[in-house]
Amino acid sequence: KAGVTQTPRYLIKTRGQQVTLSCSPISGHRSVSWYQQTPGQGLQFLFEYFSETQRNKGNFPGRFSGRQFSNSRSEMNVSTLELGDSALYLCASSRNSGLAGGPGSGELFFGEGSRLTVL
Amino acid sequence: AQTVTQSQPEMSVQEAETVTLSCTYDTSENNYYLFWYKQPPSRQMILVIRQEAYKQQNATENRFSVNFQKAAKSFSLKISDSQLGDTAMYFCAFMKHAGANNLFFGTGTRLTVIP
Repeated sequence: KAGVTQTPRYLIKTRGQQVTLSCSPISGHRSVSWYQQTPGQGLQFLFEYFSETQRNKGNFPGRFSGRQFSNSRSEMNVSTLELGDSALYLCASSRNSGLAGGPGSGELFFGEGSRLTVL
Repeated sequence: AQTVTQSQPEMSVQEAETVTLSCTYDTSENNYYLFWYKQPPSRQMILVIRQEAYKQQNATENRFSVNFQKAAKSFSLKISDSQLGDTAMYFCAFMKHAGANNLFFGTGTRLTVIP
């Protein structure tokens, strides 16, 4: 069974540009959540998508957005990049949305991440 | 707001020995989940163990076990018979029951297993 696939693995952008990151979840998983990992702030929740609907959003500015397609693949977009957006962006898939609670809640399967460098 | 604290930035253990990683958390929720995730140098995060707050019995997964003290809001991870492959960053994480897969992570403990 293929794992969570994130593309691209590495990318370099300049301030003011925008970037789109892609995540393909494990087959059968309908929830995709995104996390930002930086040395200073650690791991922070960006948002979760389930069945093409955003279920929850973390404390990030509106420059950070995402979407999910009918095949559960998800993209996140960051517009008007700032230096502070340099980070490892992790995507995680889960069979169910965490809002459901119950068995499997919070059992996330992570991809290897997309390393974004903003110059 | 939920906070997760890992007070040990780095730890080391001899191969085959036992090590305990500490984690405390703060929440006003009564029903929630706690996790330990492992991030090896290859950086893919892997779930190690999961605990549901309403269960008094401590979770175990092979060489990994937890000591969950709900009243003290403590959730430590014990790794027995440490192996070189256990070298990684370990993150403690909290999620509210029905919390939209929104995990609150601690800052991590870097564990090195010494041959």
